[in-house]
Amino acid sequence: AQKITQTQPGMFVQEKEAVTLDCTYDTSDPSYGLFWYKQPSSGEMIFLIYQGSYDQQNATEGRYSLNFQKARKSANLVISASQLGDSAMYFCAMREGRKGAQKLVFGQGTRLTINP
Amino acid sequence: NAGVMQNPRHLVRRRGQEARLRCSPMKGHSHVYWYRQLPEEGLKFMVYLQKENIIDESGMPKERFSAEFPKEGPSILRIQQVVRGDSAAYFCASSLGQGGRADTQYFGPGTRLTVL
Repeated sequence: AQKITQTQPGMFVQEKEAVTLDCTYDTSDPSYGLFWYKQPSSGEMIFLIYQGSYDQQNATEGRYSLNFQKARKSANLVISASQLGDSAMYFCAMREGRKGAQKLVFGQGTRLTINP
Repeated sequence: NAGVMQNPRHLVRRRGQEARLRCSPMKGHSHVYWYRQLPEEGLKFMVYLQKENIIDESGMPKERFSAEFPKEGPSILRIQQVVRGDSAAYFCASSLGQGGRADTQYFGPGTRLTVL
């Protein structure tokens, strides 16, 4: 069965510093996708970044990058030059690649607080 | 606004009443997913639908919950005879369903259901 683990319930970071949010996963499927979503206090879920299991390079989207270590089954999110607006819950999620297996399995989330 | 739309944003029901949650997918998307989020937890998959078909309902409670995505109109998540434990945020997401990054699920703002 798929499993996503986020071991940091909360993190506090100074503005402008880089921050790494941890995510480990477990699956027996060789084909899968990993996603990060941001949930601000307003409640909506905002897609940030995607990494495919066969992608050769780590994904990047602006200030977000994904440190993908396949052998360790980890997919940590790195936010560079953090901003006050980055304060939110962050969820790691996985989808297996087999046909019909479209559901996302989410971790428990990490609450990130950026201090001025 | 071409994003995923959900309504109502907030819904209050008394125990025993019915709750109907509606979701209009992003323009061009024909795959819809429903997730439930309890306070301070990650999202849990409920059901995956394409037009007029339920593809995966492995996360749906066996009783009182049903979902549909008709040929015309929004997807509906229906909860009959609500109980206090149904109080949660219900999120709808949509995707193209073509595999890879194109299968990214984009979420609506959610419906917050409160059962009194």
